[in-house]
Amino acid sequence: AQSVSQHNHHVILSEAASLELGCNYSYGGTVNLFWYVQYPGQHLQLLLKYFSGDPLVKGIKGFEAEFIKSKFSFNLRKPSVQWSDTAEYFCAVSAEGVFGNEKLTFGTGTRLTIIP
Amino acid sequence: DAGVTQSPTHLIKTRGQQVTLRCSPKSGHDTVSWYQQALGQGPQFIFQYYEEEERQRGNFPDRFSGHQFPNYSSELNVNALLLGDSALYLCASRYNGRRITDTQYFGPGTRLTVL
Repeated sequence: AQSVSQHNHHVILSEAASLELGCNYSYGGTVNLFWYVQYPGQHLQLLLKYFSGDPLVKGIKGFEAEFIKSKFSFNLRKPSVQWSDTAEYFCAVSAEGVFGNEKLTFGTGTRLTIIP
Repeated sequence: DAGVTQSPTHLIKTRGQQVTLRCSPKSGHDTVSWYQQALGQGPQFIFQYYEEEERQRGNFPDRFSGHQFPNYSSELNVNALLLGDSALYLCASRYNGRRITDTQYFGPGTRLTVL
């Protein structure tokens, strides 16, 4: 079974600072990787996803993530954060299976607080 | 184009009771998954429905059951509620096409409190 670890539980940054949130997964087979964001009072939204190809994936709102297979990592980055990026960020993994994209396994999340 | 909708928004029950949560998938989607998100945790997969059948199941007891209707909407039923069932219950939908790039879209969730 797959598992996901997010080591940063709460990150506090000032506006314009650079961001990197860690995500490591455990699974021996082919996986698909995701970052979801949950803004205060809103539902989970997809930031970006990786299935294959270029390991550097660009998502919405200036976010990007890099898949490093040898490190089983999929870290999320943004060069300059804004106050509106304050949210909970979840890394997730799904294994390829008979039904295409299988169930999502989520990490525990990282709470990001941006100070104006 | 309506996204995933869930009802009710909030629910308060007492231990031992039964509850039914409802989900309408995004237009064009035929596969529905349910997740439980406890406070301070990431969502955990409960089960997935396609063509009115349970197709995958996570590590949840039989007290958790579901149903999918011909219009693709779905219900989650929880029997004999425990305090530990208090959580945000999320519904996610996607199209069952075998394209691996299909994305799951999440609803706003139902907040269940068990007293």
